[in-house]
Amino acid sequence: DAGVTQSPTHLIKTRGQHVTLRCSPISGHKSVSWYQQVLGQGPQFIFQYYEKEERGRGNFPDRFSARQFPNYSSELNVNALLLGDSALYLCASSSLGGGDEQYFGPGTRLTVT
Amino acid sequence: RKEVEQDPGPFNVPEGATVAFNCTYSNSASQSFFWYRQDCRKEPKLLMSVYSSGNEDGRFTAQLNRASQYISLLIRDSKLSDSATYLCAVNGDSGGSNYKLTFGKGTLLTVNP
Repeated sequence: DAGVTQSPTHLIKTRGQHVTLRCSPISGHKSVSWYQQVLGQGPQFIFQYYEKEERGRGNFPDRFSARQFPNYSSELNVNALLLGDSALYLCASSSLGGGDEQYFGPGTRLTVT
Repeated sequence: RKEVEQDPGPFNVPEGATVAFNCTYSNSASQSFFWYRQDCRKEPKLLMSVYSSGNEDGRFTAQLNRASQYISLLIRDSKLSDSATYLCAVNGDSGGSNYKLTFGKGTLLTVNP
C-alpha cells in the first residue's frame, strides 16, 4: 500500500508569491492534517480536515488556507509568502482524525527568498 | 508552561547503552500519546503509541503516567541505527480540541560505535 504522498518535494519562491502544496493520504484514511516544521522545532499544527470539513485550525494567519477533496486528498495554500514561511510542510494521514495515530508524508521543503 | 516539553538533549551514548527520554504535557484532558522518530531532513515516523498500561515493542518501552502528566520512552541495547531525533506528541491542546497533535521540540540521540 502506498503511504502518504506529497508534492512537490522542494519549492523555492520569492516573498509575496503564492504556493500550493498537495497531499494524498493513505488509502482508506479520511483525515488529513497539515503541519509546519522549522529547523530545531517539532511540527506545529496548521489544519485538520475530515470528510472534507475543516475540523480545526492552529495559530496561523489567514494567509494559510486548505481544503480537502472528495477523494480525501488535500491542498494547503499560502498567500503573500514571507521569509518566515520557509519550513518543511508535512501532511499527516489518519483514519478518523481526532486522537488517531497520524502518519506523515515526506513533506515539502519550502524556501522563500 | 509549554504544552509539551522534552529533555533538551542531545544525548550521546555508546552502542549497547540504555537511554531514556522523558516528556511532560500540560493538558490533563489529553487522551492519546505517541513517540515519533525523525531522521535528519526526513519526516517523523510513528515509533509507538503510548498506552495507559505501558507497552513494549522489542527494545523499546513506552510508559504513561497520567497523574504526573509525563510519558517516557526507553531504548535498550541501543544500535547505531537508533540515532535520530525523538519527538513526543500529545493529542489535544489547552483549548479543549482533541484533533491536533502537539509536539515537543525533540531530543537528538547519537549512538556511537
